[in-house]
Amino acid sequence: SQQGEEDPQALSIQEGENATMNCSYKTSINNLQWYRQNSGRGLVHLILIRSNEREKHSGRLRVTLDTSKKSSSLLITASRAADTASYFCATDGMGAQKLVFGQGTRLTINP
Amino acid sequence: EAGVAQSPRYKIIEKRQSVAFWCNPISGHATLYWYQQILGQGPKLLIQFQNNGVVDDSQLPKDRFSAERLKGVDSTLKIQPAKLEDSAVYLCASSLVLTQETQYFGPGTRLLVL
Repeated sequence: SQQGEEDPQALSIQEGENATMNCSYKTSINNLQWYRQNSGRGLVHLILIRSNEREKHSGRLRVTLDTSKKSSSLLITASRAADTASYFCATDGMGAQKLVFGQGTRLTINP
Repeated sequence: EAGVAQSPRYKIIEKRQSVAFWCNPISGHATLYWYQQILGQGPKLLIQFQNNGVVDDSQLPKDRFSAERLKGVDSTLKIQPAKLEDSAVYLCASSLVLTQETQYFGPGTRLLVL
């Protein structure tokens, strides 16, 4: 079963704008991870945020985690055409010892 | 450092035929994962190995799917017999230890069952 649910399912913005994707989950977690998947390729790890962290940055990426609302957001600032991809959140549930992926957000950056 | 290798990249078979996929993880990674990704969905874990032992295969359709990692390094995933609904991308991933830290994914094998 899918633990994380991303919102929106699809997002189309202009190059240079910021993109925000959200992820909601159902059970308590150890950590939450975000992955990117370019068309026809494998997934690439972007960032991991632990349950005791509230915000994390990596380059143009900013991830927030609100464990009280069981939700996370991924912000990509100053988007580029190369950011066009599908983005997935994955949760490591307490006691589960495995990652459960959401359905993903398909992001399109228009030049 | 070489990444996760998978072969073949594409496979087309007819239903009821058998197929096998191969994965070679990053050197030194103890944990290996096989995922199934149906078009438009996120990856679903099929089986997870720690060295050559199975940690989780709760979502593996064991009547038709099998996987092994005999020497604790590379792994094969087999489907026999294949059904139309098995059409998907099969992703292999590996990680250093069984702590659900960063997983490194291979390019995947795209399977089409006709």
